[in-house]
Amino acid sequence: GAVVSQHPSWVICKSGTSVKIECRSLDFQATTMFWYRQFPKQSLMLMATSNEGSKATYEQGVEKDKFLINHASLTLSTLTVTSAHPEDSSFYICSASGQVDYNEQFFGPGTRLTVL
Amino acid sequence: GNSVTQMEGPVTLSEEAFLTINCTYTATGYPSLFWYVQYPGEGLQLLLKATKADDKGSNKGFEATYRKETTSFHLEKGSVQVSDSAVYFCALSDGYGGATNKLIFGTGTLLAVQP
Repeated sequence: GAVVSQHPSWVICKSGTSVKIECRSLDFQATTMFWYRQFPKQSLMLMATSNEGSKATYEQGVEKDKFLINHASLTLSTLTVTSAHPEDSSFYICSASGQVDYNEQFFGPGTRLTVL
Repeated sequence: GNSVTQMEGPVTLSEEAFLTINCTYTATGYPSLFWYVQYPGEGLQLLLKATKADDKGSNKGFEATYRKETTSFHLEKGSVQVSDSAVYFCALSDGYGGATNKLIFGTGTLLAVQP
């Protein structure tokens, strides 16, 4: 099946630093990638949708200058959390859809971010 | 706005027990409904889906029926196994289930099956 990976799987950083999370589709070309955020015991919340070669579309309430998304190729999207603060600590999950099956999103395993 | 409510866990069952995880939704229009499963250390996987009222989605012994009159999409399995232990997410899409339609998730229900 379609496989999506994320790197790193967990990261700890100091407040004020920036962190980059990668999302890769390993065996298919992803025309669309989605970034979600999940708080403990809460839903996955969609942060933004990105199409390859285009600017990401952010959901209401998501700061686009803080959460920079780049989808420069059909197999890679990155989420950069700029000037991270403790309230940005969360579980970040990406998904991808594309030529395998346009009607299904394939999810990565997630990245746990802890900001000290 | 659209939303999904699912029963809180954890749900602990013995092997071969019957499983029900409740899911109700609020939506305008005609959403598509999904159940995703997340095994430990892995990403979410689509378990089953239904795109219109009275449709029944099924996979791996799991079933869920799209009930428009009760706005529900309860997940059921007649006989659970230890390998079914995972977190289950109910979700809806406000389009025809196409990948570019947004998914709205419930909070997830942890299922633990004991031998």
